[in-house]
Amino acid sequence: DTGVSQDPRHKITKRGQNVTFRCDPISEHNRLYWYRQTLGQGPEFLTYFQNEAQLEKSRLLSDRFSAERPKGSFSTLEIQRTEQGDSAMYLCASSPRIGNEKLFFGSGTQLSVL
Amino acid sequence: AQSVSQHNHHVILSEAASLELGCNYSYGGTVNLFWYVQYPGQHLQLLLKYFSGDPLVKGIKGFEAEFIKSKFSFNLRKPSVQWSDTAEYFCAANNQAGTALIFGKGTTLSVSS
Repeated sequence: DTGVSQDPRHKITKRGQNVTFRCDPISEHNRLYWYRQTLGQGPEFLTYFQNEAQLEKSRLLSDRFSAERPKGSFSTLEIQRTEQGDSAMYLCASSPRIGNEKLFFGSGTQLSVL
Repeated sequence: AQSVSQHNHHVILSEAASLELGCNYSYGGTVNLFWYVQYPGQHLQLLLKYFSGDPLVKGIKGFEAEFIKSKFSFNLRKPSVQWSDTAEYFCAANNQAGTALIFGKGTTLSVSS
């Protein structure tokens, strides 16, 4: 499968725990995006990378959220001290190059915080 | 602030009816516009996009959209919908500096056969 891969598909955690999600983009894509989607809403932009550089992170929802893409390939999104309001679908997308904003989305990680 | 708004939350149509979904954007400068679709149980996928040139763009599956700069709009249209068009439709935009896409809240289209 050469699409965007996200792991895990589902995560159930207790409030206060830390969670980490992984995204593997399409291999030749140098842009990688994280979005969050809740029921009845469109994808909400969180952050994105050009290779290993994080170009925008001001839209991360709080300082409990952080993302990395250490080698310009896969990326991780970590949420510390989870809250019930963090429950959502976390989507990863990649695109080939600057100016070509056809995003290829993964299936997402559904987070449930109890 | 940059934003995208979609007027219709849920649209219900019968097969063969015509479709128009509204989208307005608030962006400074030159803007790129997109429509994405999410079929039940599937990933978001690109339906069509506008960067420049002819303001009437055609996408997959018979969809088209018209960029009207004076109205800050990019409405999606299809002359005759099919049951298989049942999905969520998202309008999105970014500026030509290549910033990240901002999505609208989406419109759920239900087509009855």
